[in-house]
Amino acid sequence: GENVEQHPSTLSVQEGDSAVIKCTYSDSASNYFPWYKQELGKRPQLIIDIRSNVGEKKDQRIAVTLNKTAKHFSLHITETQPEDSAVYFCAAEGDTGRRALTFGSGTRLQVQP
Amino acid sequence: GAVVSQHPSRVICKSGTSVKIECRSLDFQATTMFWYRQFPKQSLMLMATSNEGSKATYEQGVEKDKFLINHASLTLSTLTVTSAHPEDSSFYICSASPGLARETQYFGPGTRLLVL
Repeated sequence: GENVEQHPSTLSVQEGDSAVIKCTYSDSASNYFPWYKQELGKRPQLIIDIRSNVGEKKDQRIAVTLNKTAKHFSLHITETQPEDSAVYFCAAEGDTGRRALTFGSGTRLQVQP
Repeated sequence: GAVVSQHPSRVICKSGTSVKIECRSLDFQATTMFWYRQFPKQSLMLMATSNEGSKATYEQGVEKDKFLINHASLTLSTLTVTSAHPEDSSFYICSASPGLARETQYFGPGTRLLVL
């Protein structure tokens, strides 16, 4: 099955700096890669996603890049703000029949004011 | 749009009892829903895929007789934790996708289960 690895596990940045979180996946058949933000005790919220026919996608301060050859994808947050502090999860859809997601282990982002 | 609800939000029960958790898609129909479990400070682990009108597909290591899943309609899936034990204490979250094509999964608010 699919295996997703995520780094780093924790990330602390100063307000206004950029943050980058990286993920690798194992199943070359995977073609959908969402990123979720989860605040303590709350549901994961989709912040951006990318499909394998696209190399990069941007939405305001958030961008995701995908390298299918290397099987890795990254989340980029620019001009970070304290409210960006949360746990971020990457995921990959490895079983095209069931649309099940395999999640990375998560990155705890702390933005220092 | 694409709102998923869960009930109850939290439950405390005694060891040996059964607990039912409901997952509803409020403004769309979902032929498939997913159930995840999340332990403190850990990632979401897929437990099973719930299919409307058919049996659920369980992930390796998840006991189907302990975690009963029923997907009775296109807007409702239930997870019943039977004979719950303290080690079953966790955050249970469901998700659903609108439409039949591959689309974004939206998560419910989760149910925090504490088994004493």
